[in-house]
Amino acid sequence: EVQLVESGGGLVQPGRSLKLSCAASGFTFSNYYMAWVRQAPKKGLEWVATISTSGSRTYYPDSVKGRFTISRDNAKSSLYLQMNSLKSEDTATYYCARSHYYSATGYFDYWGQGVMVTVSS
Amino acid sequence: EIVLTQSPTTMAASPGEKVTLTCRASSSVSYMHWYQQRSGASPKLWIYETSKLASGVPNRFSGSGSGTSYSLTINSMETEDAATYYCQQGSSYPNTFGAGTKLELK
Repeated sequence: EVQLVESGGGLVQPGRSLKLSCAASGFTFSNYYMAWVRQAPKKGLEWVATISTSGSRTYYPDSVKGRFTISRDNAKSSLYLQMNSLKSEDTATYYCARSHYYSATGYFDYWGQGVMVTVSS
Repeated sequence: EIVLTQSPTTMAASPGEKVTLTCRASSSVSYMHWYQQRSGASPKLWIYETSKLASGVPNRFSGSGSGTSYSLTINSMETEDAATYYCQQGSSYPNTFGAGTKLELK
């Protein structure tokens, strides 16, 4: 059974940093692209970052580019999201998601339970 | 950036009623994917590559479309189908989601 378990969320002041982790199990982690998707309170879904199987390629939307860094440790079957210079608009539930990606398209076939990040003074 | 516009924003359907949700893309995409999110739960992949049902999805659901226009159809609404449905494109970065359609039981 595929399982994705996020951790590391919490309350953080604007301008500070936070690192999220996602522990994966039930599949060969190194064979899959992985991603983070967030959802602000009462709002829709927003893609945050994607990383290739080896970690050599990463992708971000403009809203987080230069502030967030996605990384992975295939030996530990773990995914990470380093979030710097946090803003109030980064307040959201962050989901770790397995990405099924190929040349024509990509989608997210398994999701974690989510972890809440609140940016407030 | 490809913008996805879902309609309607909210709708209510009676048990047994046929339901169609639409998603329009600002530029052509190769495929559309759909997610179901029940209240308080994580999203679940529901339909991928436009028309393929994810594991465990009842066959009263179907997906269709091409280019810039896609739809998700429920042949006969059931209580458990009440949820928010999001479309998503992965044909180009940034990957984008629609704002969602909240489907309620009438």
